[in-house]
Amino acid sequence: DVQMTQSPSYLAASPGESVSISCKASKSINTYLAWYQEKPGKTNKLLIYSGSTLQSGTPSRFSGSGSGTDFTLTIRSLEPEDFAVYYCQQHNEYPLTFGSGTKLEIK
Amino acid sequence: QVTLKESGPGILQPSQTLSLTCTFSGFSLSTYGMGVGWIRQPSGKGLEWLANIWWDDDKYYNPSLKNRLTISKDTSNNQAFLKITNVDTADTATYYCARIPLRRVSFDYWGQGVMVTVSS
Repeated sequence: DVQMTQSPSYLAASPGESVSISCKASKSINTYLAWYQEKPGKTNKLLIYSGSTLQSGTPSRFSGSGSGTDFTLTIRSLEPEDFAVYYCQQHNEYPLTFGSGTKLEIK
Repeated sequence: QVTLKESGPGILQPSQTLSLTCTFSGFSLSTYGMGVGWIRQPSGKGLEWLANIWWDDDKYYNPSLKNRLTISKDTSNNQAFLKITNVDTADTATYYCARIPLRRVSFDYWGQGVMVTVSS
């Protein structure tokens, strides 16, 4: 199985700041990496797939980069609605696997 | 508008079979390239993928659950199903279904999830 190591597990930032979340795969997953946002009372939201493709409706302040084993989600100029839990997930091979999550909180 | 909604028994006893239903609208599982997956999340923990089923009835399972999983679909009624046999307390979780519009996109729409508790 492809192990997904996500870091940090916790991140505190202020609105307007930029943050980055890392996701490392135990072997190459090409560019097949998705990022999701989890918020209480809302359904999980796909933000980015195939490493860097923004899902329709994802604000442009979100960006994804990387290929092979190292990937990054960057959120520029944080908005209040961005404080949530973020997960990465590889969709290159079965079994599909998720990172352990990053909780982004307001500083 | 794409929506998915999971339903299940709420609570069941160890060794029983868990039957989950995903009722969806806004898309068809007979559409070329379309799929539905099941994912679960124990309270306070991360996400675990369970199974996918595709428009052509292709199926994939998480081998960590060995042979306990069965995924199926009813295209006419816009439903997908997941059965987990011989449940135990470790299967207590919120179970989600999600749409996969294409293999390269992954899960683009999720249901709200259904909480399942396994307890004697």
